[in-house]
Amino acid sequence: AQSVTQLDSHVSVSEGTPVLLRCNYSSSYSPSLFWYVQHPNKGLQLLLKYTSAATLVKGINGFEAEFKKSETSFHLTKPSAHMSDAAEYFCVGEDAGNMLTFGGGTRLMVKP
Amino acid sequence: DAGITQSPRHKVTETGTPVTLRCHQTENHRYMYWYRQDPGHGLRLIHYSYGVKDTDKGEVSDGYSVSRSKTEDFLLTLESATSSQTSVYFCAISEQSGRAIHEQFFGPGTRLTVL
Repeated sequence: AQSVTQLDSHVSVSEGTPVLLRCNYSSSYSPSLFWYVQHPNKGLQLLLKYTSAATLVKGINGFEAEFKKSETSFHLTKPSAHMSDAAEYFCVGEDAGNMLTFGGGTRLMVKP
Repeated sequence: DAGITQSPRHKVTETGTPVTLRCHQTENHRYMYWYRQDPGHGLRLIHYSYGVKDTDKGEVSDGYSVSRSKTEDFLLTLESATSSQTSVYFCAISEQSGRAIHEQFFGPGTRLTVL
């Protein structure tokens, strides 16, 4: 069975400072991993996905994530936060049957 | 955005009443999914469909049924709604090419309140 753990339920940063959202996964094989973003009262939008082609994955809006097998981590980063980045972010794993397992979510707050 | 709509977008109902939520897609994708979103749990899979009339249970299927009579529509039914089914419900779709199933695209969600 696969599990995905987001280590912080809330993260607060100032505009222009770096963003780090942490995600660990537990799987007996190298999974596919995703980050989705959900803005208030909206559906989920795919930010980026890892499918073993490259460990550093670049996504939309300046986000990127690095797959580290030795640490079983897939942390999401952005060099400089923007007010529009305020949202909830989900780390998601995909198992061999193509079913998704969601982390609990991290709410990112960006202060002016 | 992928062509996915959900109806209704908001619904308030009473315990014990039947409720049907509809997901409609214009992408002709093979796979469709129903999730519920609750605080601290992310999204959890209720049921999914891998073709017309082909459905299977997800992690939290108790109290829910689904039907898919045509490619574009996937219905979620609560036969007798309970307060524990108050949640936000999301539909998702994905396509398959060869043996690969591609990423899921999500609808806007339906907020259901059961009083």
